[in-house]
Amino acid sequence: DVKVTQSSRYLVKRTGEKVFLECVQDMDHENMFWYRQDPGLGLRLIYFSYDVKMKEKGDIPEGYSVSREKKERFSLILESASTNQTSMYLCASSLGQGMYEQYFGPGTRLTVT
Amino acid sequence: ILNVEQSPQSLHVQEGDSTNFTCSFPSSNFYALHWYRWETAKSPEALFVMTLNGDEKKKGRISATLNTKEGYSYLYIKGSQPEDSATYLCAHNNAGNMLTFGGGTRLMVKP
Repeated sequence: DVKVTQSSRYLVKRTGEKVFLECVQDMDHENMFWYRQDPGLGLRLIYFSYDVKMKEKGDIPEGYSVSREKKERFSLILESASTNQTSMYLCASSLGQGMYEQYFGPGTRLTVT
Repeated sequence: ILNVEQSPQSLHVQEGDSTNFTCSFPSSNFYALHWYRWETAKSPEALFVMTLNGDEKKKGRISATLNTKEGYSYLYIKGSQPEDSATYLCAHNNAGNMLTFGGGTRLMVKP
Protein backbone atom coordinates (compact mmCIF):
# COMPACT_ATOMS: atom_id res chain seq x y z
CA ASP A 1 0.00 0.00 0.00
CA VAL A 2 1.15 3.47 -0.84
CA LYS A 3 1.59 5.57 2.22
CA VAL A 4 1.83 9.34 2.28
CA THR A 5 2.42 10.84 5.70
CA GLN A 6 2.42 14.43 6.86
CA SER A 7 4.28 15.70 9.87
CA SER A 8 1.33 17.17 11.77
CA ARG A 9 -2.45 16.83 11.71
CA TYR A 10 -3.01 20.15 13.47
CA LEU A 11 -0.73 23.14 13.76
CA VAL A 12 -1.21 26.58 15.30
CA LYS A 13 1.28 29.30 14.44
CA ARG A 14 1.55 33.04 14.92
CA THR A 15 1.59 35.64 12.16
CA GLY A 16 5.11 36.13 10.87
CA GLU A 17 6.44 32.74 11.95
CA LYS A 18 8.26 30.50 9.51
CA VAL A 19 6.33 27.26 9.09
CA PHE A 20 7.51 23.93 7.69
CA LEU A 21 5.08 21.26 6.57
CA GLU A 22 6.71 17.93 5.80
CA CYS A 23 5.46 15.15 3.56
CA VAL A 24 6.95 11.71 3.05
CA GLN A 25 5.90 8.97 0.61
CA ASP A 26 7.18 5.43 0.63
CA MET A 27 6.47 4.24 -2.93
CA ASP A 28 9.31 5.80 -4.88
CA HIS A 29 6.94 8.13 -6.72
CA GLU A 30 8.45 10.72 -9.04
CA ASN A 31 5.79 13.37 -8.56
CA MET A 32 4.77 15.10 -5.35
CA PHE A 33 2.24 17.86 -4.82
CA TRP A 34 1.11 20.37 -2.23
CA TYR A 35 -2.52 21.54 -2.21
CA ARG A 36 -4.60 23.70 0.05
CA GLN A 37 -8.29 23.15 0.56
CA ASP A 38 -10.67 25.93 1.52
CA PRO A 39 -14.46 25.71 1.74
CA GLY A 40 -16.12 26.11 -1.64
CA LEU A 41 -12.83 26.33 -3.51
CA GLY A 42 -11.84 22.69 -3.91
CA LEU A 43 -8.22 21.62 -3.83
CA ARG A 44 -5.87 24.24 -5.24
CA LEU A 45 -2.34 23.35 -6.27
CA ILE A 46 0.42 25.35 -4.60
CA TYR A 47 3.54 23.65 -5.94
CA PHE A 48 4.57 20.33 -7.38
CA SER A 49 7.82 18.51 -7.95
CA TYR A 50 8.55 15.97 -10.67
CA ASP A 51 12.02 15.03 -9.49
CA VAL A 52 14.55 15.71 -6.76
CA LYS A 53 15.43 19.39 -6.63
CA MET A 54 12.88 20.14 -9.38
CA LYS A 55 9.77 22.18 -8.68
CA GLU A 56 7.07 24.02 -10.55
CA LYS A 57 4.55 26.59 -9.42
CA GLY A 58 0.93 25.63 -9.25
CA ASP A 59 -2.06 27.95 -9.26
CA ILE A 60 -1.39 29.74 -5.96
CA PRO A 61 2.35 29.76 -5.14
CA GLU A 62 2.51 33.25 -3.62
CA GLY A 63 3.69 33.21 -0.02
CA TYR A 64 5.01 29.63 -0.25
CA SER A 65 8.20 27.87 -1.21
CA VAL A 66 9.10 24.18 -1.41
CA SER A 67 12.07 21.92 -1.04
CA ARG A 68 12.72 18.44 -2.42
CA GLU A 69 16.17 17.27 -1.40
CA LYS A 70 15.27 13.57 -1.38
CA LYS A 71 12.84 11.69 -3.60
CA GLU A 72 10.59 10.61 -0.75
CA ARG A 73 10.30 13.97 0.99
CA PHE A 74 8.61 17.19 -0.13
CA SER A 75 8.46 20.17 2.20
CA LEU A 76 6.19 23.19 2.04
CA ILE A 77 7.53 26.37 3.63
CA LEU A 78 5.61 29.43 4.67
CA GLU A 79 8.34 32.02 5.00
CA SER A 80 6.22 34.43 7.05
CA ALA A 81 2.85 32.98 7.95
CA SER A 82 -0.21 35.18 7.52
CA THR A 83 -3.79 34.70 8.65
CA ASN A 84 -4.96 34.13 5.06
CA GLN A 85 -2.81 31.00 5.01
CA THR A 86 -5.05 29.36 7.58
CA SER A 87 -6.23 26.31 5.70
CA MET A 88 -6.10 22.53 5.28
CA TYR A 89 -2.90 21.49 3.50
CA LEU A 90 -2.75 18.21 1.63
CA CYS A 91 0.28 16.49 0.19
CA ALA A 92 -0.01 13.94 -2.62
CA SER A 93 2.25 11.79 -4.76
CA SER A 94 1.86 9.94 -8.06
CA LEU A 95 3.85 7.53 -10.15
CA GLY A 96 3.57 9.59 -13.33
CA GLN A 97 1.71 12.34 -15.09
CA GLY A 98 -2.00 13.11 -15.46
CA MET A 99 -3.47 9.66 -16.04
CA TYR A 100 -1.94 8.30 -12.83
CA GLU A 101 -3.99 8.58 -9.67
CA GLN A 102 -2.68 10.71 -6.86
CA TYR A 103 -2.22 9.32 -3.34
CA PHE A 104 -2.96 11.78 -0.59
CA GLY A 105 -1.72 12.28 2.93
CA PRO A 106 -4.11 12.88 5.83
CA GLY A 107 -3.76 16.65 5.70
CA THR A 108 -2.49 19.31 8.09
CA ARG A 109 -4.95 21.82 9.42
CA LEU A 110 -2.95 24.99 9.93
CA THR A 111 -4.29 27.91 11.91
CA VAL A 112 -2.37 31.19 11.82
CA THR A 113 -3.34 33.60 14.57
CA ILE B 1 -13.32 30.88 -10.75
CA LEU B 2 -13.10 27.11 -11.06
CA ASN B 3 -13.21 25.85 -14.62
CA VAL B 4 -14.09 22.44 -13.23
CA GLU B 5 -17.58 22.64 -11.83
CA GLN B 6 -19.38 20.07 -9.71
CA SER B 7 -23.06 19.93 -8.92
CA PRO B 8 -24.78 19.77 -6.62
CA GLN B 9 -22.55 21.19 -3.87
CA SER B 10 -24.27 19.01 -1.30
CA LEU B 11 -26.84 16.28 -1.27
CA HIS B 12 -28.83 14.55 1.46
CA VAL B 13 -30.35 11.17 0.58
CA GLN B 14 -31.95 8.30 2.45
CA GLU B 15 -30.26 4.94 2.76
CA GLY B 16 -31.17 2.86 -0.27
CA ASP B 17 -31.64 5.83 -2.62
CA SER B 18 -29.64 5.95 -5.81
CA THR B 19 -27.99 9.22 -6.64
CA ASN B 20 -25.75 10.90 -9.17
CA PHE B 21 -23.49 13.93 -9.39
CA THR B 22 -22.10 15.93 -12.28
CA CYS B 23 -18.62 17.16 -13.09
CA SER B 24 -18.15 19.57 -16.00
CA PHE B 25 -14.77 20.51 -17.38
CA PRO B 26 -13.18 22.17 -20.43
CA SER B 27 -13.55 19.85 -23.42
CA SER B 28 -10.48 21.20 -25.20
CA ASN B 29 -7.05 19.63 -24.54
CA PHE B 30 -8.56 16.79 -22.52
CA TYR B 31 -6.25 14.11 -21.17
CA ALA B 32 -7.80 12.53 -18.08
CA LEU B 33 -10.62 12.90 -15.59
CA HIS B 34 -10.22 11.70 -12.01
CA TRP B 35 -12.81 10.97 -9.32
CA TYR B 36 -11.83 10.87 -5.63
CA ARG B 37 -13.77 10.11 -2.47
CA TRP B 38 -12.84 12.06 0.65
CA GLU B 39 -14.30 10.79 3.89
CA THR B 40 -14.17 12.96 6.98
CA ALA B 41 -10.90 12.58 8.91
CA LYS B 42 -9.38 10.47 6.15
CA SER B 43 -7.29 11.09 3.03
CA PRO B 44 -8.89 11.50 -0.41
CA GLU B 45 -8.81 8.17 -2.27
CA ALA B 46 -9.01 7.63 -5.99
CA LEU B 47 -12.15 6.01 -7.35
CA PHE B 48 -11.58 6.23 -11.08
CA VAL B 49 -9.24 7.69 -13.68
CA MET B 50 -10.90 7.96 -17.07
CA THR B 51 -9.28 8.89 -20.33
CA LEU B 52 -11.47 7.87 -23.30
CA ASN B 53 -14.70 9.42 -24.51
CA GLY B 54 -17.53 7.06 -23.67
CA ASP B 55 -15.57 5.38 -20.87
CA GLU B 56 -17.67 3.74 -18.19
CA LYS B 57 -16.05 2.45 -15.02
CA LYS B 58 -17.54 0.61 -12.08
CA LYS B 59 -16.43 -0.24 -8.56
CA GLY B 60 -19.07 -2.04 -6.54
CA ARG B 61 -22.15 0.18 -6.34
CA ILE B 62 -20.33 3.21 -7.76
CA SER B 63 -19.95 3.88 -11.46
CA ALA B 64 -18.85 6.77 -13.65
CA THR B 65 -19.26 7.83 -17.25
CA LEU B 66 -17.25 10.24 -19.35
CA ASN B 67 -18.16 12.51 -22.27
CA THR B 68 -15.06 14.38 -23.40
CA LYS B 69 -16.70 16.03 -26.41
CA GLU B 70 -19.21 17.93 -24.30
CA GLY B 71 -17.03 18.08 -21.20
CA TYR B 72 -18.89 16.24 -18.46
CA SER B 73 -18.70 13.15 -16.28
CA TYR B 74 -21.38 11.59 -14.09
CA LEU B 75 -20.79 9.62 -10.91
CA TYR B 76 -23.60 7.25 -9.90
CA ILE B 77 -24.13 5.52 -6.57
CA LYS B 78 -26.68 2.74 -6.54
CA GLY B 79 -28.47 2.00 -3.25
CA SER B 80 -26.61 4.56 -1.13
CA GLN B 81 -25.36 3.42 2.27
CA PRO B 82 -24.33 5.56 5.26
CA GLU B 83 -20.70 4.60 4.62
CA ASP B 84 -20.97 6.35 1.22
CA SER B 85 -21.20 9.67 3.06
CA ALA B 86 -18.20 11.68 1.88
CA THR B 87 -17.14 14.51 -0.38
CA TYR B 88 -16.70 13.39 -3.98
CA LEU B 89 -14.12 15.33 -5.96
CA CYS B 90 -13.49 15.34 -9.67
CA ALA B 91 -10.29 16.62 -11.24
CA HIS B 92 -9.37 17.39 -14.84
CA ASN B 93 -5.97 16.94 -16.44
CA ASN B 94 -5.07 18.47 -19.80
CA ALA B 95 -1.70 16.68 -20.05
CA GLY B 96 1.25 17.35 -17.82
CA ASN B 97 1.35 16.91 -14.09
CA MET B 98 -1.33 19.26 -12.85
CA LEU B 99 -4.87 18.38 -11.87
CA THR B 100 -7.57 21.03 -11.62
CA PHE B 101 -10.12 20.05 -8.99
CA GLY B 102 -13.77 20.94 -8.76
CA GLY B 103 -15.30 22.18 -5.53
CA GLY B 104 -16.69 18.76 -4.65
CA THR B 105 -20.11 17.31 -3.91
CA ARG B 106 -20.76 16.55 -0.27
CA LEU B 107 -23.02 13.50 0.09
CA MET B 108 -24.79 12.65 3.33
CA VAL B 109 -26.70 9.37 3.52
CA LYS B 110 -29.20 9.08 6.34
CA PRO B 111 -29.88 5.63 7.79
